[in-house]
Amino acid sequence: DTAVSQTPKYLVTQMGNDKSIKCEQNLGHDTMYWYKQDSKKFLKIMFSYNNKELIINETVPNRFSPKSPDKAHLNLHINSLELGDSAVYFCASSPSLGPQHFGDGTRLSIL
Amino acid sequence: DQQVKQNSPSLSVQEGRISILNCDYTNSMFDYFLWYKKYPAEGPTFLISISSIKDKNEDGRFTVFLNKSAKHLSLHIVPSQPGDSAVYFCAAKKNSNSGYALNFGKGTSLLVTP
Repeated sequence: DTAVSQTPKYLVTQMGNDKSIKCEQNLGHDTMYWYKQDSKKFLKIMFSYNNKELIINETVPNRFSPKSPDKAHLNLHINSLELGDSAVYFCASSPSLGPQHFGDGTRLSIL
Repeated sequence: DQQVKQNSPSLSVQEGRISILNCDYTNSMFDYFLWYKKYPAEGPTFLISISSIKDKNEDGRFTVFLNKSAKHLSLHIVPSQPGDSAVYFCAAKKNSNSGYALNFGKGTSLLVTP
């Protein structure tokens, strides 16, 4: 069974649209994250939630809004998509002590 | 600003030999370091970690060395196998507890040739 799963795996859409990426983990972890990997392959933190509460919010445009309905889910909603949002978005989760486990990523392409 | 640096974008090693991947960091507050392995179209997979209170951690063919005074860590893979060919990311965080984000290097692409 997949530990951290993201859907969709690929997302192609036009500028100005609104889209969501879903993430679920079945590891029982308390903390979940969203990372962005840009065209230079640099992985950078966007958000972190612990027990459904936002604990990290890096300098990310407010067009990006994470939502955690419960500990096992952290979804990412993006409004008014721009060309620069094209990237691979990775969801991750971690226990209180231990490494983060990543999903396989969602490749977002803006036309 | 990039606080974790992997200055070698690629490395090629013969099967059976040792692979050494290097990583430097600038933030002295980092106290927990990890290596991840990534195959194309997959997410990073945790490989091995080390706390700042140690200078070496070993797990099978993988050993991580930490030199705090030099702010440098390295991953040794012995012996290297073709299946080790992947991109390796070094990561660091300020606290081993959860909730603290990982700061990643840009990765080193390792190719192990038969």
